[in-house]
Amino acid sequence: QSVLTQPPSASGIPGQRVTISCSGSSSNIGSNYVYWYQQLPGTAPKLLIYSSNQRPSGVPDRFSGSKSGTSASLAISGLRSEDEADYYCAIWDASLGVFGTGTKVTVL
Amino acid sequence: QVQLQESGPGLVEPSQTLSLTCTVSGGSLTSGTYYWNWIRQPAGKGLEWIGRIYSGGGSTHYNPSLKSRVTISIDASENQFSLTMSSVTAADTAVYYCAARTSYGPFDYWGQGTLVTVSS
Repeated sequence: QSVLTQPPSASGIPGQRVTISCSGSSSNIGSNYVYWYQQLPGTAPKLLIYSSNQRPSGVPDRFSGSKSGTSASLAISGLRSEDEADYYCAIWDASLGVFGTGTKVTVL
Repeated sequence: QVQLQESGPGLVEPSQTLSLTCTVSGGSLTSGTYYWNWIRQPAGKGLEWIGRIYSGGGSTHYNPSLKSRVTISIDASENQFSLTMSSVTAADTAVYYCAARTSYGPFDYWGQGTLVTVSS
């Protein structure tokens, strides 16, 4: 049972903005950077956001991350069909890693 | 760029020990740059962090829920790190990933994953 809670699903039509939340506590999100991963069907997760709001090179600026207190969010603007995937928040701290429960994004 | 490749038996009998190896290329396991992780994902379910090893000091950290059954170690001569999990049950059936990442920042690399089925 993960300590990082995400909604099981989210959806939108192409071009729309979709937001995914990740809820934790003062001991995890509240005191660490948040990372976001995208997992396309049958593939390994890919890092989308690091340090709560930074994008690795090559990740489109349609993806953005934010953090406030014990919660974090991933926003996908200008939703595209290829964004249909599972998304996970994660914490990597000094002694462990934790993944969120995951959110399946469907493009309608 | 670091590349990782998992290998090991695809089928393990219940109560036996699961052993997987991750072969690293494009980077040295002993450089002290990366934390070397194992993560798993049962079919249709979410990601679960198993544990990691840091070559800089040889320290290991494990998921508390699996700690009693898991060991992660490094074979520097082969540039590989390994996972052993004892007393497996059907609940340990999953795709197992090895991954490397730095303490902070965008340096995050994953293997393609390998399916391990626990069944007699």
